[in-house]
Amino acid sequence: KAGVTQTPRYLIKTRGQQVTLSCSPISGHRSVSWYQQTPGQGLQFLFEYFSETQRNKGNFPGRFSGRQFSNSRSEMNVSTLELGDSALYLCASSLEPRNEKLFFGSGTQLSVL
Amino acid sequence: DAKTTQPTSMDCAEGRAANLPCNHSTISGNEYVYWYRQIHSQGPQYIIHGLKNNETNEMASLIITEDRKSSTLILPHATLRDTAVYYCIVRVSNFGNEKLTFGTGTRLTIIP
Repeated sequence: KAGVTQTPRYLIKTRGQQVTLSCSPISGHRSVSWYQQTPGQGLQFLFEYFSETQRNKGNFPGRFSGRQFSNSRSEMNVSTLELGDSALYLCASSLEPRNEKLFFGSGTQLSVL
Repeated sequence: DAKTTQPTSMDCAEGRAANLPCNHSTISGNEYVYWYRQIHSQGPQYIIHGLKNNETNEMASLIITEDRKSSTLILPHATLRDTAVYYCIVRVSNFGNEKLTFGTGTRLTIIP
């Protein structure tokens, strides 16, 4: 089985722009969650999707949004980028929400200049 | 979910057993202990989880104390590829509305 695929791997944007990141879960996995990782804050939960519905959300501003499609693929969007949004964005998939095993992609490294 | 406390860093000689401790003194009866690790520039990788019995799989062993307030992840024969940040997490394993919190983890360095 192919693993979790995230695209693009690297991204450079400027302040004020918006960005869309993509995540393709493992085949058969219906739950997708997103995390932001920075050196100072570590891994922080953004949101979780299951059956095209957001089930849980972390403490991030409304500039961060996401969605899930009927094939379980997910996208996250960050609008009006700030310098502090520079981070590694990780996507994880699991069979069901709260499943014991999360499978992570390699992430998208976003740099905001 | 209960909070966990882990040492910031540890070293272990190659070929020896690496024992990574985790304190979760506020764990409740239905919370599981999970371990993940993250190798540089990759996403976290699931290692093992348990509730109250000791667990073993092809990667590691998990020893949970009888009062469940602490646990130890054991990598029996550490290799250089085991150098990573190891995260201990406790969470309820059922449908609910909470977040998975990774904390800062233990940076394990395997010494040749």
